[in-house]
Amino acid sequence: RKEVEQDPGPFNVPEGATVAFNCTYSNSASQSFFWYRQDCRKEPKLLMSVYSSGNEDGRFTAQLNRASQYISLLIRDSKLSDSATYLCVVTTGTGGFKTIFGAGTRLFVKA
Amino acid sequence: GAVVSQHPSRVICKSGTSVKIECRSLDFQATTMFWYRQFPKKSLMLMATSNEGSKATYEQGVEKDKFLINHASLTLSTLTVTSAHPEDSSFYICSARAVQGANTEAFFGQGTRLTVV
Repeated sequence: RKEVEQDPGPFNVPEGATVAFNCTYSNSASQSFFWYRQDCRKEPKLLMSVYSSGNEDGRFTAQLNRASQYISLLIRDSKLSDSATYLCVVTTGTGGFKTIFGAGTRLFVKA
Repeated sequence: GAVVSQHPSRVICKSGTSVKIECRSLDFQATTMFWYRQFPKKSLMLMATSNEGSKATYEQGVEKDKFLINHASLTLSTLTVTSAHPEDSSFYICSARAVQGANTEAFFGQGTRLTVV
């Protein structure tokens, strides 16, 4: 089983749609959770951290369920500029805090 | 935010030669840096954890003699792909955290696209 698993995608949605990404992780001792965004041929960039209480940043809402080892990202009112690959990221371990990436879910938002 | 600079951004080399990739933290000290590899349309795969002043920790399946890592200072880690072959062609990317701890953002270098011909 992969350490971090995401929806396979790709997701093709019209502008204005609401999109939900799901992610599960296998290590119950994982400490921190993030969603990163990666544009084609670019490095990943942090979109938002994910907290147990859930957090929202504009059109983006992230949720964490530690009991189910499940993370989600909701994008409301999708924009063309939201087209990218969304990576679920989990940090585990001590000392070096190894960062593990999910395979990513590609999102295409169309006019 | 913190800046991580990676060089070169693109390199083409012949089979059998070695290629060195540098990863620098420009405005913070990083005792630990991470090296990833990404194939087209695939996720980033952690190759190794680079520790300043000590040996790197390699992930299972990654050949340490093939991918040499040196972390000689708090701001520089290098990855050398030795005796490169076409199957080593990939996107290599490094990352570091400005502050030790799990709850802090990881900053990434711009990545290096290696093509071995």
